[in-house]
Amino acid sequence: QVQLVQSGAEVKKPGASVKVSCKASGYTFTSYGISWVRQAPGQGLEWMGWISAYNGNTNYAQKLQGRVTMTTDTSTSTAYMELRSLRSDDTAVYYCAREGISLHPPDPWGQGTLVTVSS
Amino acid sequence: QSVLTQPPSVSAAPGQKVTISCSGSSSNIGNNYVSWYQQLPGTAPKLLIYDNNKRPSGIPDRFSGSKSGTSATLGITGLQTGDEADYYCGTWDSSLSAWVFGTGTKVTVL
Repeated sequence: QVQLVQSGAEVKKPGASVKVSCKASGYTFTSYGISWVRQAPGQGLEWMGWISAYNGNTNYAQKLQGRVTMTTDTSTSTAYMELRSLRSDDTAVYYCAREGISLHPPDPWGQGTLVTVSS
Repeated sequence: QSVLTQPPSVSAAPGQKVTISCSGSSSNIGNNYVSWYQQLPGTAPKLLIYDNNKRPSGIPDRFSGSKSGTSATLGITGLQTGDEADYYCGTWDSSLSAWVFGTGTKVTVL
């Protein structure tokens, strides 16, 4: 079955960077893109962007342009999301999901990675 | 700031029906398919409905979706205590070139 397994929780100081991984299994990795969605404590879902696992093309949410980089490693079927210049309002659970672009809704989702930004 | 608007909460007794609305615009719901997600406490969202009204394998027919113009609706019949969760609509926004989610609705079974 299709499964996305994410890396563990992180605690970072303001101004630092974080890199979250998402290992895919159960399908041909390069046939689908990966989206990243975050959810601040008690808040709703925010789409951060999408990367094609086929050719590395990206589509980032305008709000995060310049601070986020999404990459993939096709040799290990793993996607990565790096967020730089962390602020306290970046504290959230970060999810990866298969697709989440145009006609293709995000599904399924990883289990989530809690990133806490605190001094 | 979500571009899709949902009611903050809905509630009903076990066995009853609830509907959740999702209001958008021509750049999102009006010209794209709508999906719905269920998020149980402490878990990742799960796809309930895609392409406005289709259910993935394993999703019971108690869950239904519809779309009209720039609004969409999720219906849940035969409400169960296990349905207590947050529900989100989602769709592609052609103007933003971004996937957008609704504000979320908490379903409470009385």
